[in-house]
Amino acid sequence: EADIYQTPRYLVIGTGKKITLECSQTMGHDKMYWYQQDPGMELHLIHYSYGVNSTEKGDLSSESTVSRIRTEHFPLTLESARPSHTSQYLCASRGQGAFGELFFGEGSRLTVL
Amino acid sequence: AQSVAQPEDQVNVAEGNPLTVKCTYSVSGNPYLFWYVQYPNRGLQFLLKYITGDNLVKGSYGFEAEFNKSQTSFHLKKPSALVSDSALYFCAVRDMHRSGNTGKLIFGQGTTLQVKP
Repeated sequence: EADIYQTPRYLVIGTGKKITLECSQTMGHDKMYWYQQDPGMELHLIHYSYGVNSTEKGDLSSESTVSRIRTEHFPLTLESARPSHTSQYLCASRGQGAFGELFFGEGSRLTVL
Repeated sequence: AQSVAQPEDQVNVAEGNPLTVKCTYSVSGNPYLFWYVQYPNRGLQFLLKYITGDNLVKGSYGFEAEFNKSQTSFHLKKPSALVSDSALYFCAVRDMHRSGNTGKLIFGQGTTLQVKP
């Protein structure tokens, strides 16, 4: 089992609310990622980080923002949630080296009414 | 552009029969290939990877995958399927020529494996 945790696992909120999805890992990994998994089950990279104070946007445009103030913590924030943000959000991390695999959290399923 | 294709949305097999889940890729440099499995309401779990060397890679839970450079394929296989193998399977590629050491993976669209008793 990978030591990467996401909270909340499930969240149902109303339109316009601000939400933060938490992701923490205890493996000391520098690289962390957020993927969005849509209803068709495809995975799209929305944010990634190489280390503290480093964040980049991914391949899929997202209205969410991320921060990386500590190595172990990579939260994702939506300032004003909309129904189009309804999705599953998966956090992942990877250690040093070019060949390592990603370790994924259990996911946060967000529903915006 | 780098891409991964899983041509089958769903694969159905009977328990005890061999299974194959197909994956083809397109990259400009050397491909680093991965298979992940996702059970309902869970995150993705790593199964196996191909970096270099032997074209037949063995992974977790009795799965293996065969790298075929000429066909640009990396099909997932298992000699004898179990009902508990029923899940969503993702193929992914990291193009080292483009992504360097960022670790970004491009995922296929996923294939649902259904193993019937």
